Amino acid sequence: EVQLVESGGGLVKPGGSLRLSCAASGFTFSTYSMNWVRQAPGKGLEWVSSINSGSTYIYYADSVKGRFTISRDNAKNSLYLQMNSLRADDTAVYYCARDCVYCNEGDAFDIWGQGTMVTVSS
Amino acid sequence: QVVLTQSPSASASLGASVKLTCTLSSGHSTYAIAWHQQQPGKGPRYLMKLNSAGSHSKGDGIPDRFSGSSSGPERYLTISSLQSEDEADYYCQTWGTGIRVFGGGTKLTVL
Repeated sequence: EVQLVESGGGLVKPGGSLRLSCAASGFTFSTYSMNWVRQAPGKGLEWVSSINSGSTYIYYADSVKGRFTISRDNAKNSLYLQMNSLRADDTAVYYCARDCVYCNEGDAFDIWGQGTMVTVSS
Repeated sequence: QVVLTQSPSASASLGASVKLTCTLSSGHSTYAIAWHQQQPGKGPRYLMKLNSAGSHSKGDGIPDRFSGSSSGPERYLTISSLQSEDEADYYCQTWGTGIRVFGGGTKLTVL
């Protein structure tokens, strides 16, 4: 079964850090670009970051640039999001999503994880 | 930069059909998009990819009741024979080098 499972969410104070993980299974993870997408409570989906299969092309939304770092370990079939300098408006459910095969320009997100909740509050 | 515009809400009766719209911003009318469904309390689910010619490819297990079409900068999702489980938020998504974009979503109410 093709699956993405996020973990690592929790409660963190403003200014703190958190590292999210996304474990992939059922497909050749190393060939796909991957993304993080978030959804604040009661709001719509917001793309956060993208990384291609070889980690040579990495992109961020302006709202997280300089604070968040996306990475992947193809040997472990895992995607990560290191979040630093967290703010209250980073509070959201964070999803990982599969993108395109051996490409940089993007595609439809055809597989989604179930999400992990991040709450930034004092 | 490409922007996707969706109406915030739509409603239709059980068993009827509904057509949701996603509009691409000026200069981006040839972009392909994807439609995603998010049922209450759940994560998003990929429905289909839709190109400017109206050709679409659906995700695994997506019923035939869901179809897509296009006209100029508009991309449509039509759901026929509405069922109660179709009550959900529907998002369109597009992409380009260095960017991925979502529309604001349409909340569909099944009456």
